[in-house]
Amino acid sequence: GAVVSQHPSRVICKSGTSVKIECRSLDFQATTMFWYRQFPKQSLMLMATSNEGSKATYEQGVEKDKFLINHASLTLSTLTVTSAHPEDSSFYICSARGGPRGYTFGSGTRLTVV
Amino acid sequence: GENVEQHPSTLSVQEGDSAVIKCTYSDSASNYFPWYKQELGKGPQLIIDIRSNVGEKKDQRIAVTLNKTAKHFSLHITETQPEDSAVYFCAASKAGEYGNKLVFGAGTILRVKS
Repeated sequence: GAVVSQHPSRVICKSGTSVKIECRSLDFQATTMFWYRQFPKQSLMLMATSNEGSKATYEQGVEKDKFLINHASLTLSTLTVTSAHPEDSSFYICSARGGPRGYTFGSGTRLTVV
Repeated sequence: GENVEQHPSTLSVQEGDSAVIKCTYSDSASNYFPWYKQELGKGPQLIIDIRSNVGEKKDQRIAVTLNKTAKHFSLHITETQPEDSAVYFCAASKAGEYGNKLVFGAGTILRVKS
């Protein structure tokens, strides 16, 4: 139990376009989801915390207008990287709080902006 | 806020030997301490966790110890195998904080040589 599905696993987009990443809890309800960014050989950096039906809480230094988070249901949260630029290229990971494991992570999305 | 430090940053051991990774945390109110294993290009997977009301927990070859007074916790892997090679992260969180967000250590690259 406690599976989080994250899609897509890899995406390449052109500079200036927007990309949406989905995070779904498959077998439990997740009132809280987290979005992380991870640079090569570094730790996970929390970007924002989203609660179902309310606005996301962003960590200091994270642009909320650039990284749009929507948590419209108890099983789905989305992260949209708007007007992407090469410096946004990174590994993005979602996590859902709930289920027997407490926190369950998605498999990550490798975003490359060209 | 909470700060988690993790050592060593890299660890090489011979197959069959034990590996120990240590973490310290700063906030005495933290009460949940999970350990994650991350393989290249994948999301973190929970391998073991411990709560502040317990001093030690073991699951087959993996064990975690917690010293609340000193604010440090350690991961112990015995009889290491090549498939244990990965990046390991410790984390800490506390009940009551909005979203119960996890604060991660910097990670340890474990290499098990066969």
